[in-house]
Amino acid sequence: SQKIEQNSEALNIQEGKTATLTCNYTNYSPAYLQWYRQDPGRGPVFLLLIRENEKEKRKERLKVTFDTTLKQSLFHITASQPADSATYLCALPFSGGYNKLIFGAGTRLAVHP
Amino acid sequence: EAQVTQNPRYLITVTGKKLTVTCSQNMNHEYMSWYRQDPGLGLRQIYYSMNVEATDKGDVPEGYKVSRKEKRNFPLILESPSPNQTSLYFCASTPRVGRDTNTGELFFGEGSRLTVL
Repeated sequence: SQKIEQNSEALNIQEGKTATLTCNYTNYSPAYLQWYRQDPGRGPVFLLLIRENEKEKRKERLKVTFDTTLKQSLFHITASQPADSATYLCALPFSGGYNKLIFGAGTRLAVHP
Repeated sequence: EAQVTQNPRYLITVTGKKLTVTCSQNMNHEYMSWYRQDPGLGLRQIYYSMNVEATDKGDVPEGYKVSRKEKRNFPLILESPSPNQTSLYFCASTPRVGRDTNTGELFFGEGSRLTVL
């Protein structure tokens, strides 16, 4: 069955450094992959989508890569700020149809001043 | 303002007392979905709807019902709530889903925290 794995341990980094979060998936070849940000007690907010034929996508300080051979996506935040502290979720469309997104459990990022 | 609105935001109820969590979106989206979020398990889909009068089960539909009589509304019904349905619930919508969809991004509501005693 499909599986999405994100680091369950929180990532703690210093302000100004680059944060790198990982999303691995198995038994699957998705046409695209999405990243969301979730603040405590709030709904997830869409950040970026990357398609299977795109190696890299950027949006301001965010960069996402998609390696379909490794079945992995990396999410980078450059020049990180304390305001970037949140949980980041990756999501893929279900292989049996594109009627639903399956989410990873998320990785919590804490950026310290 | 484009948004997904859920009510109530917080609810404490007792086992067996029927309740409904409402969800409404003002973006004319075809697709709507309900998720529950539990610590360590992430977001799990309960039900989804591709359009009016078209609903289908997600990964964890047991104990829930939904209806989609109008495009904007997608209520979640717990006929006989049990303590294992204590969770944080999210409604979400998107214009459409599919392999070639433009973004497929989901717009989420603010969540409804339900406690069943």
